[in-house]
Amino acid sequence: SAVISQKPSRDICQRGTSLTIQCQVDSQVTMMFWYRQQPGQSLTLIATANQGSEATYESGFVIDKFPISRPNLTFSTLTVSNMSPEDSSIYLCSVGTSRGEQFFGPGTRLTVL
Amino acid sequence: EDQVTQSPEALRLQEGESSSLNCSYTVSGLRGLFWYRQDPGKGPEFLFTLYSAGEEKEKERLKATLTKKESFLHITAPKPEDSATYLCAVHNFGNEKLTFGTGTRLTIIP
Repeated sequence: SAVISQKPSRDICQRGTSLTIQCQVDSQVTMMFWYRQQPGQSLTLIATANQGSEATYESGFVIDKFPISRPNLTFSTLTVSNMSPEDSSIYLCSVGTSRGEQFFGPGTRLTVL
Repeated sequence: EDQVTQSPEALRLQEGESSSLNCSYTVSGLRGLFWYRQDPGKGPEFLFTLYSAGEEKEKERLKATLTKKESFLHITAPKPEDSATYLCAVHNFGNEKLTFGTGTRLTIIP
């Protein structure tokens, strides 16, 4: 399976600021996804990062709040904009296979004060 | 809408005490069911994929089984290092999304 890295691994941010999270994969992949995992909760899909086109967002998530870039088949970024304490979560990227399996990165732990 | 329910929410076992975790699902067209292990502060680690009822997969002390309505993750003679949250997810034929359950937090006591 692909090796997935995320930067930063964790950050503490002030309310009203923005943070960009990077996801790098060691091989080309078609499907990339971004998830949020709030404290004590399971994973919630934010969006599918599409290469060469706009991301596809799930209900409850909007581009203005969570802009996503996918410039090539090995890299994607998720920005959390105008942050509030409610955005404190672990943010995870994943890559999908043709068999439907998804493999996850190590996550970015975000705390907003 | 796809739904995944995991039980129990938390489970404490003595080392060597075998047990099973349950994942009940409702999906219009099951493409696959996945089990993951997640340690605190880390991303989920892929364990198994099951595609059809009757299928079984094994890895060390873990065995996953699948029926048309639920999946079980059997843990045989667990060790403290098996302590983690175990997540179940389903994949629908209609899209590429996974729907996750809320997980079972397993603690193995030495």
